[in-house]
Amino acid sequence: DAKTTQPPSMDCAEGRAANLPCNHSTISGNEYVYWYRQIHSQGPQYIIHGLKNNETNEMASLIITEDRKSSTLILPHATLRDTAVYYCIAMGRPIIQGAQKLVFGQGTRLTINP
Amino acid sequence: GAGVSQSPRYKVAKRGQDVALRCDPISGHVSLFWYQQALGQGPEFLTYFQNEAQLDKSGLPSDRFFAERPEGSVSTLKIQRTQQEDSAVYLCASSFQARGTEAFFGQGTRLTVV
Repeated sequence: DAKTTQPPSMDCAEGRAANLPCNHSTISGNEYVYWYRQIHSQGPQYIIHGLKNNETNEMASLIITEDRKSSTLILPHATLRDTAVYYCIAMGRPIIQGAQKLVFGQGTRLTINP
Repeated sequence: GAGVSQSPRYKVAKRGQDVALRCDPISGHVSLFWYQQALGQGPEFLTYFQNEAQLDKSGLPSDRFFAERPEGSVSTLKIQRTQQEDSAVYLCASSFQARGTEAFFGQGTRLTVV
């Protein structure tokens, strides 16, 4: 799986859009980009994933550059409850379906300020 | 229950003591994962089950760590002769066996070895 690079920390004002970057310059054609977040004292929570098209769900949007070397997770209207560590993971299809072992890096600690 | 349940939530063990950590995955989830998360770090993969079969145990740090899932549902992670470096949060995750589906994590068990 490709290595990902994220800034260690970011701040964002409540109500504003939080844009979290991730660099995955060595990503291969069949590797997906997954985002998880971990709120303090909880287990990681899935947010969104994509291959090459931009994706949106009720939690966030994922923008992947055309060359797929980087992506941005967007939380459109950040709230205090979005304060968490956000992990960007590049992951290929597993040999065994469903056996998607996640390789977490250090992530970005996002703090939403009132 | 609706989510992945782990027990106990907290465990304090004396060095050399054996411990057993329990995970109740979401009903119907074929895949089950264990991760270890040291303070300030991202989770690290320990082992993976598909139903009752342990298909990947490459992340288990030593032969003191043992995991089982005898009936393909509840799983137990056992650590024998605990040492201080075993202090961490142990996370369990489960998922459907299908492409692209996310993993659902429990809240974890915080193990402190004194």
